[in-house]
Amino acid sequence: GDSVTQKQGQVTLSEDDFLFINCTYSTTTYPTLFWYVQYPGQGPQLLLKVTTANNKGISRGFEATYDKGTTSFHLQKASVQESDSAVYFCALVVGGRALIFGTGTTVSVSP
Amino acid sequence: DAGVTQTPRHEVAEKGQTIILKCEPVSGHNDLFWYRQTKIQGLELLSYFRSKSLMEDGGAFKDRFKAEMLNSSFSTLKIQPTEPKDSAVYLCASSLSGTAISNERLFFGHGTKLSVL
Repeated sequence: GDSVTQKQGQVTLSEDDFLFINCTYSTTTYPTLFWYVQYPGQGPQLLLKVTTANNKGISRGFEATYDKGTTSFHLQKASVQESDSAVYFCALVVGGRALIFGTGTTVSVSP
Repeated sequence: DAGVTQTPRHEVAEKGQTIILKCEPVSGHNDLFWYRQTKIQGLELLSYFRSKSLMEDGGAFKDRFKAEMLNSSFSTLKIQPTEPKDSAVYLCASSLSGTAISNERLFFGHGTKLSVL
């Protein structure tokens, strides 16, 4: 079946560091890919959408890039701030089905 | 703007009890989702409704978990009977949708943290 895999469970950084989180997916059709972010005490919220047509999405200083050849997509930010500390989920949707989420990557940024 | 409202925020149950979690989606949204969140498994789909019709049912959760949409603005998730392994955060989300392939921007509630003793 369709799935997404996030292998990085925890990422610890200092302010102004570069953030990179990778996600791989498996599907037999054309997915639309997303990154959601969850701040403490809240539900997840949409951060970025990446379609197979444009290969890239940008929002709030974050950039997501999709690579069909390796069936992977990653999230990056050039310079993180303490306020970026959160859990980041990759997700995909195929057809009219519900979003399938990865297990999440906890990002901790120290000042 | 009223977002997705979930009640209660915390629930403590004894093993074997029946608990009901409640969700009010964003007004006007057609799609409603229930997910379970744990650190190990991440977000797992429990149920997905479109215009009150059940579209998807998480296969692993069918026997003790039952979600219902009583009307377009209210949904419940019943767990019966509860087991300690059900301890998790239960998230409700809604989306505007309206077309077959736009289940994209989900608006999540704050979740209900369930502890089963």
